[in-house]
Amino acid sequence: GQQLNQSPQSMFIQEGEDVSMNCTSSSIFNTWLWYKQDPGEGPVLLIALYKAGELTSNGRLTAQFGITRKDSFLNISASIPSDVGIYFCAGPPVSTQGGSEKLVFGKGTKLTVNP
Amino acid sequence: DAGVTQSPTHLIKTRGQHVTLRCSPISGHKSVSWYQQVLGQGPQFIFQYYEKEERGRGNFPDRFSARQFPNYSSELNVNALLLGDSALYLCASSTYNSPLHFGNGTRLTVT
Repeated sequence: GQQLNQSPQSMFIQEGEDVSMNCTSSSIFNTWLWYKQDPGEGPVLLIALYKAGELTSNGRLTAQFGITRKDSFLNISASIPSDVGIYFCAGPPVSTQGGSEKLVFGKGTKLTVNP
Repeated sequence: DAGVTQSPTHLIKTRGQHVTLRCSPISGHKSVSWYQQVLGQGPQFIFQYYEKEERGRGNFPDRFSARQFPNYSSELNVNALLLGDSALYLCASSTYNSPLHFGNGTRLTVT
């Protein structure tokens, strides 16, 4: 089945540093989504990407939809303590039946920010 | 506006029992999806319902079932619980061509 390979698994950084994480797939995606999950809460959508090559920003967050449609990356600039959490990439592969609601998720990147 | 609400927030059940989890979507959202998130993993798709009809099903056994009501709320039912069913069960709602919005989940522990 479809899998998303997300890396790194975890990151420990100092406040103020920039962060980069990425996601690769064995299948083509027509949408890439990046979510953040805090302990005890559900995932919250950060950025949605809909076109190959698209580069989208949301405040200090920037994400890109890879040209091959099989990868995406998320950058966080000037990290702050509240950036702590688990970041997931997700998307509905083109080959998936059931529409956009059937998402495949990566295993997540756990981010720790030291003040 | 209220987000996706799920109840209960936590639940402890014994192996072999049955459980019902509930979800109310964001107002105006007609599609509800259910995901299972095991500790340390990303969420896994279980079901999608739209206008009370099942539109998609993930790779889960028949012990898992769901339904959607006329007000678009939804229930997830799991029969004959196994220890491996212990997880965070997430409900998400969406409207046409919009990304999923997740609730905070129900933490199910099977002992």
